[in-house]
Amino acid sequence: GAGVSQSPSNKVTEKGKDVELRCDPISGHTALYWYRQSLGQGLEFLIYFQGNSAPDKSGLPSDRFSAERTGGSVSTLTIQRTQQEDSAVYLCASSLVASGLSNTEAFFGQGTRLTVV
Amino acid sequence: GNSVTQMEGPVTLSEEAFLTINCTYTATGYPSLFWYVQYPGEGLQLLLKATKADDKGSNKGFEATYRKETTSFHLEKGSVQVSDSAVYFCALSVRRLGSARQLTFGSGTQLTVLP
Repeated sequence: GAGVSQSPSNKVTEKGKDVELRCDPISGHTALYWYRQSLGQGLEFLIYFQGNSAPDKSGLPSDRFSAERTGGSVSTLTIQRTQQEDSAVYLCASSLVASGLSNTEAFFGQGTRLTVV
Repeated sequence: GNSVTQMEGPVTLSEEAFLTINCTYTATGYPSLFWYVQYPGEGLQLLLKATKADDKGSNKGFEATYRKETTSFHLEKGSVQVSDSAVYFCALSVRRLGSARQLTFGSGTQLTVLP
C-alpha cells in the first residue's frame, strides 16, 4: 500500500484478555518497528525486525508481549493477559534499509489506541 | 547507550512568534538526527533530518542544525502559525553492527499556537 497500515485503529478490551495488533508496512521495506506511546509520554521502543535477522526484542516490557513478522511483511504484536497499564497508542513504523544508504527515514502508521478496562 | 533529551512542554506561543525547541543527545557512534511531528489525530511524520555535523535540515520554515560539539539539534522557526500546533519529537538513529538502524526518540514537546 501507499503507507503503513495498522489495525484496528481502536481497541477496547477487558483486563486479562489477549489482544493482537496488526501492522502492514510499506511494500519493500525490510525494517519494521513497534513503539508504544502512553498518554503524555514519549515514544517507547518495543521491538524491531530487519529482514531475516533475529528481531531485537530488547524493548518489550514483559513476557506478556510478543511479536512476529510473517514472510518479512505483515507483523502482529500480541499482548497476553492485558493489564490497565498496557493502555496506550501502539505505533508501527517501517523503513527501507539497503547497503549504501547513509540514513533511512521511518514511516509511521496511524497507530492502534488500546484501552484496557 | 543512546538517548535524546528535549525541552519539556507544553509550549504556548502567539502566532508569528519565534519558536525554539531544544534537543540534545548522547549516542554511541555517529548518529543521524531527525525531527518528527505529530499533528492532532494524525500519525508521526518526518519534518526534517541531518546526517552529519554542521548539516542544516529544513522544511516548512523549520530549521535545525546538527551541532556535534554541543551534541544538539535544536528546532527553530522564525514565525509560527496556528497550523504548526502539534507534538514535536527529536530523534536519532545509529547503525548497529549487523542490524538496521534503530530510532531513539525524545519525550515530545506539545506546541500550541494561538491566533
